[in-house]
Amino acid sequence: SQKIEQNSEALNIQEGKTATLTCNYTNYSPAYLQWYRQDPGRGPVFLLLIRENEKEKRKERLKVTFDTTLKQSLFHITASQPADSATYLCRGGGNEKLTFGTGTRLTIIP
Amino acid sequence: DVKVTQSSRYLVKRTGEKVFLECVQDMDHENMFWYRQDPGLGLRLIYFSYDVKMKEKGDIPEGYSVSREKKERFSLILESASTNQTSMYLCASSTLILAGGGDNTQYFGPGTRLTVL
Repeated sequence: SQKIEQNSEALNIQEGKTATLTCNYTNYSPAYLQWYRQDPGRGPVFLLLIRENEKEKRKERLKVTFDTTLKQSLFHITASQPADSATYLCRGGGNEKLTFGTGTRLTIIP
Repeated sequence: DVKVTQSSRYLVKRTGEKVFLECVQDMDHENMFWYRQDPGLGLRLIYFSYDVKMKEKGDIPEGYSVSREKKERFSLILESASTNQTSMYLCASSTLILAGGGDNTQYFGPGTRLTVL
């Protein structure tokens, strides 16, 4: 069956370092992948989209890559700050019933 | 700015009660979704609707029904609430997928934390 998976449930990173989160997909070829941020007690908020024909996308301190060979997207936050602490979710496009990965809870340690 | 609102932030109900959760979006989006979110299980799709009066089951529709009488409003109904339906419920909306280059970013409401006693 089609799956979107985020292998790390939690990740702790020292402030100032780069945080890297992973999203893998199986039995599925998404036309694009999206990344969302979710703060406790709130709904997810869209951050970035990358299409299958794009290798990399950047927005300020955020960078997303899409590797169709590895069937994987990486989400990077450079120069991480405590305010970046949140849960990050990935989602594959093109199938409305294919929902989100379970998310990675990122904690930036001062 | 897209706005998705949900009728309540917190709700406490008793087992067996009928529960209505309402969601309204102001961006004229065709698609609307209901999810529940539980620790360790992530977001799970209950139902979605791609047009007025149209609906499709998601991964966990059992014990739930939905209603979409108007484009901007999507209601989730728990016919007879049970304790295992205690959860955070999130509503979202998105545009219809367009061919060749469209995307369907989902815009979420703030969520309703439902407790069933």
